[in-house]
Amino acid sequence: DSGVTQTPKHLITATGQRVTLRCSPRSGDLSVYWYQQSLDQGLQFLIQYYNGEERAKGNILERFSAQQFPDLHSELNLSSLELGDSALYFCASSVDSPYEQYFGPGTRLTVT
Amino acid sequence: GQNIDQPTEMTATEGAIVQINCTYQTSGFNGLFWYQQHAGEAPTFLSYNVLDGLEEKGRFSSFLSRSKGYSYLLLKELQMKDSASYLCAVFLLSGTDKLIFGTGTRLQVFP
Repeated sequence: DSGVTQTPKHLITATGQRVTLRCSPRSGDLSVYWYQQSLDQGLQFLIQYYNGEERAKGNILERFSAQQFPDLHSELNLSSLELGDSALYFCASSVDSPYEQYFGPGTRLTVT
Repeated sequence: GQNIDQPTEMTATEGAIVQINCTYQTSGFNGLFWYQQHAGEAPTFLSYNVLDGLEEKGRFSSFLSRSKGYSYLLLKELQMKDSASYLCAVFLLSGTDKLIFGTGTRLQVFP
């Protein structure tokens, strides 16, 4: 158990819909990262927040957005969902960069 | 652009030693991580190399050569539970704080 929690564990939704994935970092960690992992693909970095502020952006689509709240939990919002958005979405946290990141169990999103 | 290469798959026998290579070409480099990921599970941290040389941690060791853009993960006394994907990830220069992952090497350990 890494100490990072993610909800929900599984999510099944239809194309065109909008979903919100939630992440609570390890106690004391200020940085939160979001990753997408599709079948046969590596982990794709989406976005990083540090203490409530956006710090780095990766290959995040405009249909996706994220935020980190004052209590440091983070949410990833995915809208106008497409079949290709089906993937495992991981959240990770660290004290700061470039320290080791601890990954949550992931949310498996299926878009039908 | 950013490019990280690892072999797609490797096989080895229980008790043996295996070396998983990773080469990278990135604009900016601040360090290299290795993660282990079992199928359907979250990646777990194995090592972080910033300086050239070998870092040993129990059965696992990681090596880095910054001038060659090369790293390897060495697994000794292989066990069945070591069957997993091993992900090489480059941490780019501070200011971007980006961690770029390779596609991973799937290792299968046979009895």
